[in-house]
Amino acid sequence: EPEVTQTPSHQVTQMGQEVILRCVPISNHLYFYWYRQILGQKVEFLVSFYNNEISEKSEIFDDQFSVERPDGSNFTLKIRSTKLEDSAMYFCASRLTGGSVGELFFGEGSRLTVL
Amino acid sequence: TQLLEQSPQFLSIQEGENLTVYCNSSSVFSSLQWYRQEPGEGPVLLVTVVTGGEVKKLKRLTFQFGDARKDSSLHITAAQPGDTGLYLCAGHGSSNTGKLIFGQGTTLQVKP
Repeated sequence: EPEVTQTPSHQVTQMGQEVILRCVPISNHLYFYWYRQILGQKVEFLVSFYNNEISEKSEIFDDQFSVERPDGSNFTLKIRSTKLEDSAMYFCASRLTGGSVGELFFGEGSRLTVL
Repeated sequence: TQLLEQSPQFLSIQEGENLTVYCNSSSVFSSLQWYRQEPGEGPVLLVTVVTGGEVKKLKRLTFQFGDARKDSSLHITAAQPGDTGLYLCAGHGSSNTGKLIFGQGTTLQVKP
């Protein structure tokens, strides 16, 4: 069964360092997302990406964050200068169709720990 | 700002008991989804409800969408230890980007 894959599963970094989280969405999907979940808190939307551009971003997704789809398969989230409060589980998700009904498929997440 | 409030946040029950989890908002949602999340994994979709008043069943799980499309409930009949997990409701935001707004989740523990 097709699935969304994420790497790394866990990354530990020092405050101020750059981090790149990688995702391979399901191959024929067109819409891509990043969410994060701080320990004990709700899953929060970060950004949506369609047709090679950001279609929506949240207040969390400030200038320190960027996304890229460098080739036909990878979708990356970069945090330029990590802060302690960036520690969270980051989930990549993809879906085939837009609108308000289609299923969103999530990866297993990348746990980021900022020291 | 669209918000979803889930209750209860934690629920610990004995095997065989019934339970209901609620998901409420002051906003209207075009659809609501229920996900289940296991530790160390991403959320997995259980069901999508679209029409006000809609009821969907998935084995022992019954999902209902409120008539005004502002609330939803998940009812589990005769809970089993395998039902243990985190249940999340999520609604599509008012934009058309597919963005999901999640509730804070309900952690369910079913003891044998």
